[in-house]
Amino acid sequence: EPEVTQTPSHQVTQMGQEVILRCVPISNHLYFYWYRQILGQKVEFLVSFYNNEISEKSEIFDDQFSVERPDGSNFTLKIRSTKLEDSAMYFCASSLRQRTEAFFGQGTRLTVV
Amino acid sequence: GEDVEQSLFLSVREGDSSVINCTYTDSSSTYLYWYKQEPGAGLQLLTYIFSNMDMKQDQRLTVLLNKKDKHLSLRIADTQTGDSAIYFCAESGFGYGQNFVFGPGTRLSALP
Repeated sequence: EPEVTQTPSHQVTQMGQEVILRCVPISNHLYFYWYRQILGQKVEFLVSFYNNEISEKSEIFDDQFSVERPDGSNFTLKIRSTKLEDSAMYFCASSLRQRTEAFFGQGTRLTVV
Repeated sequence: GEDVEQSLFLSVREGDSSVINCTYTDSSSTYLYWYKQEPGAGLQLLTYIFSNMDMKQDQRLTVLLNKKDKHLSLRIADTQTGDSAIYFCAESGFGYGQNFVFGPGTRLSALP
């Protein structure tokens, strides 16, 4: 069964460092998303991506965040200068059509120290 | 803005039915979803319902939608210990800035 894969599963980084979270969406999907879940809180939308550009983003997705689809398979989330409050589980998702049946990856747990 | 609410905890005995409830505020919601999250794992899509449907059944899962009251429920028949997880209700619509909006999750504990 096709699935969304994310690497690494857990990343620890020092405050101020840059991190790149990687995702391989399902191969025929066209829409890509990043969500995050701070421990004990709701799953929050960060950004959606379609046709090689950001289609929507939330208030959380400020200038410290960027996304890229560097090749035909990977979808990355970069945080330029991490803050303690960026510590969360980051989920990548993909869907064939907009906002329908999004399939989520296992998540990357980011810990900023 | 849009909001999705759920009760946070539910305990049932193995073999009983579980009913997890969800309310949402966005009347333009088009799809409503149930996701399952096991400890340390990602979000697994269980089922979804389109807003013009009242009910959807998939094996042990039954989804009921009351669009007038903006109420969604997930019924799990014959609950097993393996069903113990956090269940997230989510909705999506077509307004600008609307992607999936998740509820806080209901932690289901199936007790032997």
